[in-house]
Amino acid sequence: NAGVTQTPKFQVLKTGQSMTLQCAQDMNHEYMSWYRQDPGMGLRLIHYSVGAGITDQGEVPNGYNVSRSTTEDFPLRLLSAAPSQTSVYFCASSQTRGNEQFFGPGTRLTVL
Amino acid sequence: LAKTTQPISMDSYEGQEVNITCSHNNIATNDYITWYQQFPSQGPRFIIQGYKTKVTNEVASLFIPADRKSSTLSLPRVSLSDTAVYYCLVGVYFGNEKLTFGTGTRLTIIP
Repeated sequence: NAGVTQTPKFQVLKTGQSMTLQCAQDMNHEYMSWYRQDPGMGLRLIHYSVGAGITDQGEVPNGYNVSRSTTEDFPLRLLSAAPSQTSVYFCASSQTRGNEQFFGPGTRLTVL
Repeated sequence: LAKTTQPISMDSYEGQEVNITCSHNNIATNDYITWYQQFPSQGPRFIIQGYKTKVTNEVASLFIPADRKSSTLSLPRVSLSDTAVYYCLVGVYFGNEKLTFGTGTRLTIIP
């Protein structure tokens, strides 16, 4: 099993550009989520999904969209990148609500 | 949301037992307590989870008193590789309960 994979590992964007961060898991987990981690800070929940076709907002959803068309994939879209979105983004999945979350390696995003 | 409070940082020598305490005064009946470890440039990794009393696995123990308003992660005989940030989380659900990681405890192991 590859676990949770994220692409790309690094990305530089200009203000106003859009892009999609990819996340995939091969563990057949129902729950997936996106976090951002700013330097020296903890992780903050952006969006989450409790299953295919179901998504909801987390703590800091503004400027981001998600969709969950399959169990495996949970892409995060930045609609119009801003410097405040410079961060490391982690995707995570878990088998059931409350179980341990498995994290991907992260995507380091810089917005100029 | 059961807010958690942890020490910002701790230092310990190799070979010692390290105890990191987390306060969560507003913990709800259905909340579990979960600890994660994060190394630089990596995603967090699950360490241990518990509801009450004591839980032990191959890497750590988790002590939870009867009132569940705090919990203590115990790392036996730490090594340099245990240098990391440790996060205490309280809750069960994603989403609106905003299961946050907080800023964690930065543990530094000294040779």
